[in-house]
Amino acid sequence: GDSVTQMEGPVTLSEEAFLTINCTYTATGYPSLFWYVQYPGEGLQLLLKATKADDKGSNKGFEATYRKETTSFHLEKGSVQVSDSAVYFCALFSGAGSYQLTFGKGTKLSVIP
Amino acid sequence: GAGVSQSPSNKVTEKGKDVELRCDPISGHTALYWYRQSLGQGLEFLIYFQGNSAPDKSGLPSDRFSAERTGGSVSTLTIQRTQQEDSAVYLCASSQIRGGGGETQYFGPGTRLLVL
Repeated sequence: GDSVTQMEGPVTLSEEAFLTINCTYTATGYPSLFWYVQYPGEGLQLLLKATKADDKGSNKGFEATYRKETTSFHLEKGSVQVSDSAVYFCALFSGAGSYQLTFGKGTKLSVIP
Repeated sequence: GAGVSQSPSNKVTEKGKDVELRCDPISGHTALYWYRQSLGQGLEFLIYFQGNSAPDKSGLPSDRFSAERTGGSVSTLTIQRTQQEDSAVYLCASSQIRGGGGETQYFGPGTRLLVL
């Protein structure tokens, strides 16, 4: 079945540091890939997505590239801010008889001034 | 425009009681999903609706859980005879008509359920 593996946290970075959160997946067919973010006390929000191989999703300074050869969708940001502190979830939608998003377990990021 | 809304935002109940959780999707979204977020299990899919029918109920953990959707809009998730392991945040999401699979699911704020 489909699965998503993302690096376990928590991750603590200083402001302006470089961020990478690794995400790899196993899926049937050619899934769409997503990063969702959950800020403290808020619901899940879509951060970015990519629907086919080599697509790059980007938003709010975050980027992730859909790498079919390595089945990965790593999240990166060049300079994090305190306001980026949140839990980040990698997810996939395979659509192969499945109607659900399959999520990784989430990575908690704390950015300190 | 309005996003996905859920009620109540918090619910505390006693073991053995029934609870109903409500989801109001984004207007015009025909697909509706229920997920559960718990500390030990992460985010788990429960059920998917397309219109009023539920082609995928594979994530419902037991027959104590049921859901319905009426008028292609509001959905209710019912948990009968609640158990302590049902304590979690229940999330609802909606999306437009399913096509190639790249549709974004928009999530509500969730209902935090605590079973004492």
